[in-house]
Amino acid sequence: SYVLTQPPSVSVAPGKTARITCGGNNIGSKSVHWYQQKPGQAPVLVVYDDSDRPSGIPERFSGSNSGNTATLTISRVEAGDEADYYCQVWDSSSDHPYWVFGGGTKLTVL
Amino acid sequence: QVTLRESGPALVKPTQTLTLTCTFSGFSLSTSGMCVSWIRQPPGKALEWLALIDWDDDKYYSTSLKTRLTISKDTSKNQVVLTMTNMDPVDTATYYCARTPPVAGTGWFDYWGQGTLVTVSS
Repeated sequence: SYVLTQPPSVSVAPGKTARITCGGNNIGSKSVHWYQQKPGQAPVLVVYDDSDRPSGIPERFSGSNSGNTATLTISRVEAGDEADYYCQVWDSSSDHPYWVFGGGTKLTVL
Repeated sequence: QVTLRESGPALVKPTQTLTLTCTFSGFSLSTSGMCVSWIRQPPGKALEWLALIDWDDDKYYSTSLKTRLTISKDTSKNQVVLTMTNMDPVDTATYYCARTPPVAGTGWFDYWGQGTLVTVSS
């Protein structure tokens, strides 16, 4: 099965840029989606199809995907961005499609 | 306005069968391309996709849990039901249902329920 690897934690000072990576074999050939999850809440989609933002998500959230790594970039980080972030792909390479999440990255705003 | 809400028992005993219901509004599961999934999250751990059902009644399951899961839909009631057999304490988790919209050909989840915590204990 397809595996997505995320760093367990990332720390960043307010106003700086946070980059959260998601590694996978030739992930650049897949579409990657990102979710933000705050404690006690359901996940919220923040980026889909590598780099598109749903309505209502600030432009500070952006994404890229190439080679074996996809990246969620959060510019001008705010205290309210502190959360767990998960990447996700749809894998259709086997007999049947399935949906995969990364292990999650805890973003700490210093 | 799209909403999803999970319901089911908060506590089940080991070996029992869990039945969860996702009741949704603001969309129809008979719309071409529409899908609903079940996803779970053990306390302090990552998200895990379990099963998906689409508008055409096609069903997909996690490979590791396939033998224990059944997903079904009642379009007239706007409900999706998940059953999981032979529950074990390691199945203790918050269970979410989530929608995949028709435009999401590659399968993202744009709306989620608030989740329901299921504890497996004797």
